[in-house]
Amino acid sequence: GAGVSQSPSNKVTEKGKDVELRCDPISGHTALYWYRQSLGQGLEFLIYFQGNSAPDKSGLPSDRFSAERTGGSVSTLTIQRTQQEDSAVYLCASSPRQAGELFFGSGTQLSVL
Amino acid sequence: EDQVTQSPEALRLQEGESSSLNCSYTVSGLRGLFWYRQDPGKGPEFLFTLYSAGEEKEKERLKATLTKKESFLHITAPKPEDSATYLCAVQAGNTGNQFYFGTGTSLTVIP
Repeated sequence: GAGVSQSPSNKVTEKGKDVELRCDPISGHTALYWYRQSLGQGLEFLIYFQGNSAPDKSGLPSDRFSAERTGGSVSTLTIQRTQQEDSAVYLCASSPRQAGELFFGSGTQLSVL
Repeated sequence: EDQVTQSPEALRLQEGESSSLNCSYTVSGLRGLFWYRQDPGKGPEFLFTLYSAGEEKEKERLKATLTKKESFLHITAPKPEDSATYLCAVQAGNTGNQFYFGTGTSLTVIP
C-alpha cells in the first residue's frame, strides 16, 4: 500500500507488561512522528525522527517510553511496564520534509487493563 | 499555555447550511498552519497548509483562511459526508519540530 501502515490496529495488555507498536512510513519520507491521542484531548507529540539526525525525544512522557527507527524507514515505539494511563490511540505520521504536511496511519488503539 | 484553541467543540448543521470553524493560535514565528479531517477510527487526513496571513486555500466545499492570530475553515453548503472531526495544527519557530494540535471541532451534517 502507498499509505502509512501501523500494527497492530488494536492491542490489549495487562498492567506492567511491555508492548511494541510498529509503523511503516510512506517510502521516501524522511520525517517520522509519533503522536498519542486520548479521548477529548488533542494529539500529544511523543517523538520525531528526521533522516539520520538524532531524534527529538522531548515529548516522551517518561523513561518507560522509547522509540527507534531502523534504516531510516520502519519505526517501533516501545512502552515498558505499561500503566492504565497509557491507554490511548498511538498515531504514526510521516512527511516528505521537515516542515510539511503529515500523512497519518490509522493508529494503534492500546488498552491497558 | 495553550498553543492552539479550536471552537466550537461540536457543530451540528443542516445539509446546505454554511458555517465556519475557528482555530486561534499563540505561537511566535509561524512556519505553517495545517487543517486535517479525522473520521472515526482513522488517522487525520491532510486538507490544507497556510503559511502567511491573508493566504486562502480551497478544496470542494471547504475554504481555509489565515490571519495573524487565527484561521477559519469555511464550509459552504455542507453534505452529510462532510461529517467528521476537523483538526488544526501549527508549527512555529518556538515549537521546534513539533506540530501543536487543537482538540478539534466535531462536525455533524444532518440530511
